[in-house]
Amino acid sequence: QQQVKQSPQSLIVQKGGISIINCAYENTAFDYFPWYQQFPGKGPALLIAIRPDVSEKKEGRFTISFNKSAKQFSLHIMDSQPGDSATYFCAAGGSNYKLTFGKGTLLTVNP
Amino acid sequence: GAVVSQHPSRVICKSGTSVKIECRSLDFQATTMFWYRQFPKQSLMLMATSNEGSKATYEQGVEKDKFLINHASLTLSTLTVTSAHPEDSSFYICSASETSYGYTFGSGTRLTVV
Repeated sequence: QQQVKQSPQSLIVQKGGISIINCAYENTAFDYFPWYQQFPGKGPALLIAIRPDVSEKKEGRFTISFNKSAKQFSLHIMDSQPGDSATYFCAAGGSNYKLTFGKGTLLTVNP
Repeated sequence: GAVVSQHPSRVICKSGTSVKIECRSLDFQATTMFWYRQFPKQSLMLMATSNEGSKATYEQGVEKDKFLINHASLTLSTLTVTSAHPEDSSFYICSASETSYGYTFGSGTRLTVV
């Protein structure tokens, strides 16, 4: 599977701050880029996803920024809350509908 | 929204026995389901693609005789870990989709082989 590189590995943010997680991919055949949130002992839950025909998508406090030429996309969490503390995975999918996941970012939001 | 139910959530079995994990799409039909494995503090690794009515497609390095997948209906896929050993202990997660990309994940199964 093609690799999706995710950074940082861990992130500590104060309550009310902005959390930013970045991902980069190499396979230009990818055309679907979701972000998942996972709490310990649970399956991943879809947060937000984007297609390469748009550069930004916002849903509530979550925004994806997409740079097709740089093959990079990022997740911004505005007004971060302690309840946002979780592991976040970016992923990329292609025509075979398989998802390739990044290695994850452990986000801790301090109260 | 779409719901995927996975059972059991936790299972402990003795080395050498087999364990079956079920993945059900509760309110939609899923032609394709995916099975993942996740080690502690690591990412999800795709094990196999389960297609209703046909044989599963396994990723490179995954033993198809150890991880038996059956997708007998449009709402049920099962993963059987045969002759389980301690190294098979892991978190197993399934996903299913009603549309092409809208994948919903199950809540996962924590398998411990003792």
